[in-house]
Amino acid sequence: SQTIHQWPATLVQPVGSPLSLECTVEGTSNPNLYWYRQAAGRGLQLLFYSVGIGQISSEVPQNLSASRPQDRQFILSSKKLLLSDSGFYLCAWSVLAASTDEQFFGPGTRLTVL
Amino acid sequence: DQQVKQNSPSLSVQEGRISILNCDYTNSMFDYFLWYKKYPAEGPTFLISISSIKDKNEDGRFTVFLNKSAKHLSLHIVPSQPGDSAVYFCAASGRAGGTSYGKLTFGQGTILTVHP
Repeated sequence: SQTIHQWPATLVQPVGSPLSLECTVEGTSNPNLYWYRQAAGRGLQLLFYSVGIGQISSEVPQNLSASRPQDRQFILSSKKLLLSDSGFYLCAWSVLAASTDEQFFGPGTRLTVL
Repeated sequence: DQQVKQNSPSLSVQEGRISILNCDYTNSMFDYFLWYKKYPAEGPTFLISISSIKDKNEDGRFTVFLNKSAKHLSLHIVPSQPGDSAVYFCAASGRAGGTSYGKLTFGQGTILTVHP
């Protein structure tokens, strides 16, 4: 069966510090991978998606970047965090070219920037 | 530009009654719709979906209705249970062009509270 892992679960970082959040998927090959952010009281905003190794598409201009160094690994980074980067970050995967667009989400990372 | 909207931020229902969660969309290219349930500090979990070729899909206590002409869908939960209390997101995707990266556009979510 497929599983998705995210770490860390919670993170408190000072403004201006770097960020690295990691997501890995097990039990599937060549998945689509996604990073979402849920700000307080808001919906899910798609930040990045990837259809393959090294292929990253950004949905919104922002202070963050993403990388996919391996097939089932997706990393969200920032060189200098802003207060507005606080939120709940979710990684998700889906089957490439599936008949449905169901996405499977990880447990999330709660990021607080102080 | 909010292409998927859930205009009710919250809904309160008595246990055993029906919960109706609504969702509107503006993009006529959307042809697949999903509902997700999310508990605090957890990732969303998939509930039910519907393709635009259907107007109803049922799975146990959950039924999704799609009205394409009104660009409106709803999720019915009958009977509602306290364990259903969570945030519910509707999401939409468009595959009519033949290519899809499986991108979903989510609504803002509705907080459902089911009282015992």
